[in-house]
Amino acid sequence: GENVEQHPSTLSVQEGDSAVIKCTYSDSASNYFPWYKQELGKGPQLIIDIRSNVGEKKDQRIAVTLNKTAKHFSLHITETQPEDSAVYFCACFQKLVFGTGTRLLVSP
Amino acid sequence: DAGVTQSPTHLIKTRGQQVTLRCSPKSGHDTVSWYQQALGQGPQFIFQYYEEEERQRGNFPDRFSGHQFPNYSSELNVNALLLGDSALYLCASSHGQGHYNEQFFGPGTRLTVL
Repeated sequence: GENVEQHPSTLSVQEGDSAVIKCTYSDSASNYFPWYKQELGKGPQLIIDIRSNVGEKKDQRIAVTLNKTAKHFSLHITETQPEDSAVYFCACFQKLVFGTGTRLLVSP
Repeated sequence: DAGVTQSPTHLIKTRGQQVTLRCSPKSGHDTVSWYQQALGQGPQFIFQYYEEEERQRGNFPDRFSGHQFPNYSSELNVNALLLGDSALYLCASSHGQGHYNEQFFGPGTRLTVL
């Protein structure tokens, strides 16, 4: 079945720095790649997604890049703020599989 | 708009018991998916309901079953509880069948099996 690896498991940055989270997947049939943010005590919230016919998508401080040949995709957060602190999950949809999560801590 | 709501918030059961969790989808949504999230892990897909039928299922045993009602709300039932069933159970709603439509998650039900 599909296997999704997510790195790093934890990431600590200073406010204003950039953060990058990477995921690799195994099923070449995967064609939809969302990213979710989960804050303590809440369900995951979709923050950005990308489909397989696009290589990059940007929404303000957040961007996602996709390399279908290498089967990996990344989340980029620029100008990080303390409120960006949360657990971030990547996911692949052909068969629905989530990554193991990255705990991002942004220090003021 | 209340968004996706789940009840109860927390639940404690003992091994062998049965449990029912409930979910009300976001207004305008007709599809409900259920996920199990173990501590420190990503959500794992259990199943998805659309038009009151189970349409897709993840790798979970038959002890996990569900139902969708005409008003699109849904229940997740787990029989013969095991210690390993302790987790956060998430419900997500969307419009239309499949996973490609944006899913809105509820806050989850924390189940503890003793």
